[in-house]
Amino acid sequence: GAVVSQHPSWVICKSGTSVKIECRSLDFQATTMFWYRQFPKQSLMLMATSNEGSKATYEQGVEKDKFLINHASLTLSTLTVTSAHPEDSSFYICSARESGLAEGTQYFGPGTRLLVL
Amino acid sequence: AQTVTQSQPEMSVQEAETVTLSCTYDTSESDYYLFWYKQPPSRQMILVIRQEAYKQQNATENRFSVNFQKAAKSFSLKISDSQLGDAAMYFCAYRSAGDMRFGAGTRLTVKP
Repeated sequence: GAVVSQHPSWVICKSGTSVKIECRSLDFQATTMFWYRQFPKQSLMLMATSNEGSKATYEQGVEKDKFLINHASLTLSTLTVTSAHPEDSSFYICSARESGLAEGTQYFGPGTRLLVL
Repeated sequence: AQTVTQSQPEMSVQEAETVTLSCTYDTSESDYYLFWYKQPPSRQMILVIRQEAYKQQNATENRFSVNFQKAAKSFSLKISDSQLGDAAMYFCAYRSAGDMRFGAGTRLTVKP
């Protein structure tokens, strides 16, 4: 299957700093990428849908100014957690869907564990 | 809005036995896709099996098969000949034209 990478795999930062997480589709083009957040022992909650070349669509309750998403190319989307606070500590997972295939399977990255001190 | 319900927070199965994980969903769409994903302790989401709603035949992938009941909006996963490596969180997921929505998950334990 297709491969999606995320970087970094884990990050520890101080409160008030910004953290950028990269999501790359390695062997396919992804017009659409998704960002999920997962708290311990819970399911994946969709944060936003990222479309190449356009603004991301955020789910209700997700602050777009806090979670900045950029999808500059067909293989790269970035999530920036701005002015991070301890409550932003979580596991962030990106997912990419192959371009041109409305029924394409979504492939998931390995996730990024964020700890804000 | 589409919702996905997994009513079994935890399930347990003896090695080599068969276990069925339940999933129901709610939608007004006629064309959609259903998935089962496995999330082991590494937390990497792994696709187990997928089903297109327009297909009547139940999908199978080796030891994994589904029982898709479109009218009842039910999509259960059957794992045959369970192995220790099957132990993980299993998420049922629904997708139509838009994004993918997940159930709360079922934690599967495999006893040796």
